[in-house]
Amino acid sequence: DQQVKQNSPSLSVQEGRISILNCDYTNSMFDYFLWYKKYPAEGPTFLISISSIKDKNEDGRFTVFLNKSAKHLSLHIVPSQPGDSAVYFCAASIGGGADGLTFGKGTHLIIQP
Amino acid sequence: DARVTQTPRHKVTEMGQEVTMRCQPILGHNTVFWYRQTMMQGLELLAYFRNRAPLDDSGMPKDRFSAEMPDATLATLKIQPSEPRDSAVYFCASGSPTGVLNTEAFFGQGTRLTVV
Repeated sequence: DQQVKQNSPSLSVQEGRISILNCDYTNSMFDYFLWYKKYPAEGPTFLISISSIKDKNEDGRFTVFLNKSAKHLSLHIVPSQPGDSAVYFCAASIGGGADGLTFGKGTHLIIQP
Repeated sequence: DARVTQTPRHKVTEMGQEVTMRCQPILGHNTVFWYRQTMMQGLELLAYFRNRAPLDDSGMPKDRFSAEMPDATLATLKIQPSEPRDSAVYFCASGSPTGVLNTEAFFGQGTRLTVV
């Protein structure tokens, strides 16, 4: 039973356009959400996070939106760059992440020139 | 250069053999996680430790997997006997949730295990 779902295994976006990656969760106890980025043969690296007390967090080209009522979050990348091509994992936790993160299966983002 | 170090990076072994994966967490981090990545399940939490004490290993097949932290600088994940279905990338991550909320885990580069 996947508590964190990324329903798009892959997404192709043209360079310079907006990339929108989506994530849904089922556990209403989750109160902290993160996005990780992963290149081949490397470990996931933290990208951006959001607490459940907020509905938006922005860091440069990356913005995460949280819709608690819909149990949905999204990551926006504007503008998309070739170096953004990677697998993006959505993750969620309870109580700030001290007890581990629950990950989605990932979305492979491909930025086309 | 603070990072999580995992060894070996790659391991190919025959079914039935024992496999040991090692992890050196970031100095000062008191929480260590073991994750497994497969195509079907994505990233699954296998076990984690805080201050070297195992807190949760419910994600781990108990009959063949074991995780330990002999000291603060070393975490191990052992599979005995290994099976082909254990083939995956195993990640170690460390974090420092010392009462500060909303910390993220830092991942190592992973050990790619192939059991033939």
